[in-house]
Amino acid sequence: GQNIDQPTEMTATEGAIVQINCTYQTSGFNGLFWYQQHAGEAPTFLSYNVLDGLEEKGRFSSFLSRSKGYSYLLLKELQMKDSASYLCAVRDSNYQLIWGAGTKLIIKP
Amino acid sequence: ETGVTQTPRHLVMGMTNKKSLKCEQHLGHNAMYWYKQSAKKPLELMFVYSLEERVENNSVPSRFSPECPNSSHLFLHLHTLQPEDSALYLCASSQVPASADEQFFGPGTRLTVL
Repeated sequence: GQNIDQPTEMTATEGAIVQINCTYQTSGFNGLFWYQQHAGEAPTFLSYNVLDGLEEKGRFSSFLSRSKGYSYLLLKELQMKDSASYLCAVRDSNYQLIWGAGTKLIIKP
Repeated sequence: ETGVTQTPRHLVMGMTNKKSLKCEQHLGHNAMYWYKQSAKKPLELMFVYSLEERVENNSVPSRFSPECPNSSHLFLHLHTLQPEDSALYLCASSQVPASADEQFFGPGTRLTVL
């Protein structure tokens, strides 16, 4: 079966750095997405990786290793507004998105 | 504002009721999706309309039926639901084919079935 694994919850301190990991086992691979979802709101797109390596976008970076079935989302200079759930999703060979259950990130002052 | 709107935002219904959820996208996309989001579970893809073709998830009970009259509007018709159907129902849209094909989500309808 297809599976996306990510930690259920993480806690970090304001101003620090946090890395949220995602491992996947899917039938084929056509890209990996990270979304942010604040409580009670819609998920919003953060990043897309289809080739190995690091994609940087401001305070957020996303890394992909296709051979390891692994990605991480790196958040720097954490702010209180970064408290949210972070969803990892992989597009499979049928171009359907397979979603992880999300990682709830709690930022403490 | 994401360009995808959903109504109603909250819905409470009994198991014998019939209701419909509405989604509208103002982004000019050609694909629309219905997802179910339950607490601490992955997003479950329910239905996809892409390039005017419907792709159906076989595990979706028949008490849920989608309707896509055009590329901008999507409905989810509900009838004789069960309490376990209580969840957040999210609509999304995207442009296909596209390299990134990011999906834009609406704010969701919080459904409670009594």
